[in-house]
Amino acid sequence: LAKTTQPISMDSYEGQEVNITCSHNNIATNDYITWYQQFPSQGPRFIIQGYKTKVTNEVASLFIPADRKSSTLSLPRVSLSDTAVYYCLVGGDTDKLIFGTGTRLQVFP
Amino acid sequence: GAVVSQHPSRVICKSGTSVKIECRSLDFQATTMFWYRQFPKQSLMLMATSNEGSKATYEQGVEKDKFLINHASLTLSTLTVTSAHPEDSSFYICSARERVGQTEAFFGQGTRLTVV
Repeated sequence: LAKTTQPISMDSYEGQEVNITCSHNNIATNDYITWYQQFPSQGPRFIIQGYKTKVTNEVASLFIPADRKSSTLSLPRVSLSDTAVYYCLVGGDTDKLIFGTGTRLQVFP
Repeated sequence: GAVVSQHPSRVICKSGTSVKIECRSLDFQATTMFWYRQFPKQSLMLMATSNEGSKATYEQGVEKDKFLINHASLTLSTLTVTSAHPEDSSFYICSARERVGQTEAFFGQGTRLTVV
């Protein structure tokens, strides 16, 4: 399983775009990159998943460079409700889901 | 997305008693389920992985006789904390993956266990 490294915390203001980068230097060929969001006292919620290049859905975009050794979750125009912990996970379909430290995002008014 | 329901959301028990936590996949069949526990301000720690009809695989340092996991059907897995002690107080979360070939997993709401 590829280990992931993320910033421990980030601060932002409402309306700004937030980019959270995750390093996964040992990513394997069949590994996908998945991001989850967790609010206090709740289970994680799936945000987005990708394999390469760029993926976009209604809540976020995921940018993956050609070497796939890192990925960036982009949250457009964050609001106070986006204050949460964001986890980057890397693995294949039969792998265990191992969580790293995550990034604690604090959005200020 | 798919729904995973975890019950109860909160439980308080006396030291020495056992507590069972249920995890159900409501609209899909889960070939694999994961159990985690999470202490305040910390990340999720994987406790065990269970596949339907087979014994759970526990992570190093997790006592399998204390944390009994049963994955009897494709929609239900249970975690029983036996002879609970105050240090077992934590937030327990289950997760389910629908099928082999799927990398996405869905999580339950979590169970806050307090042992007094």
